[in-house]
Amino acid sequence: DGGITQSPKYLFRKEGQNVTLSCEQNLNHDAMYWYRQDPGQGLRLIYYSQIVNDFQKGDIAEGYSVSREKQESFPLTVTSAQKNPTAFYLCASNQGTEAFFGQGTRLTVV
Amino acid sequence: GIQVEQSPPDLILQEGANSTLRCNFSDSVNNLQWFHQNPWGQLINLFYIPSGTKQNGRLSATTVATERYSLLYISSSQTTDSGVYFCAVGPIKAAGNKLTFGGGTRVLVKP
Repeated sequence: DGGITQSPKYLFRKEGQNVTLSCEQNLNHDAMYWYRQDPGQGLRLIYYSQIVNDFQKGDIAEGYSVSREKQESFPLTVTSAQKNPTAFYLCASNQGTEAFFGQGTRLTVV
Repeated sequence: GIQVEQSPPDLILQEGANSTLRCNFSDSVNNLQWFHQNPWGQLINLFYIPSGTKQNGRLSATTVATERYSLLYISSSQTTDSGVYFCAVGPIKAAGNKLTFGGGTRVLVKP
């Protein structure tokens, strides 16, 4: 099946630790995106990549980092510099028109 | 940046009722999508509709790009329609085909 796969579904992190969220797509899309959703709110853009080996900051990039070494993969690292990382993280991809989303990762800092 | 406002913020419906959700945006767009977020958080694509009218079963959507708004119609609502409906737009001026989301409309359909 074609689609976007995010893993893990749930992630617990201790304060001060870095964690990496996985996003893989087999849709052959060039562009990929990471969004953050806080309870009761809409989605906000963290980072996006339009092509392999290139990525740009979104509206709330501080405390996050990404890489884009392969078209199908766009991992997001939540660093210890992110002050309030507990949130729902969604990955998306598109090929110039309609965007499609993965099922999300719920990150909780304990 | 572009502003996206959705109304109403909350909607309670009796099963079988019809409803209209509205999305206003502050600048010209070349992308507009409606999503339904289910209780598990998954975003389900409803419509890709930067302009015009589309229908899919009991749902339909209309975007009037020149007046900067879009409407989502739910007819004969069912309990499975409950959840949060998001409008997201892609400004013409923005690089990367990024989407900016509204705050959502939370819909509860009662049996």
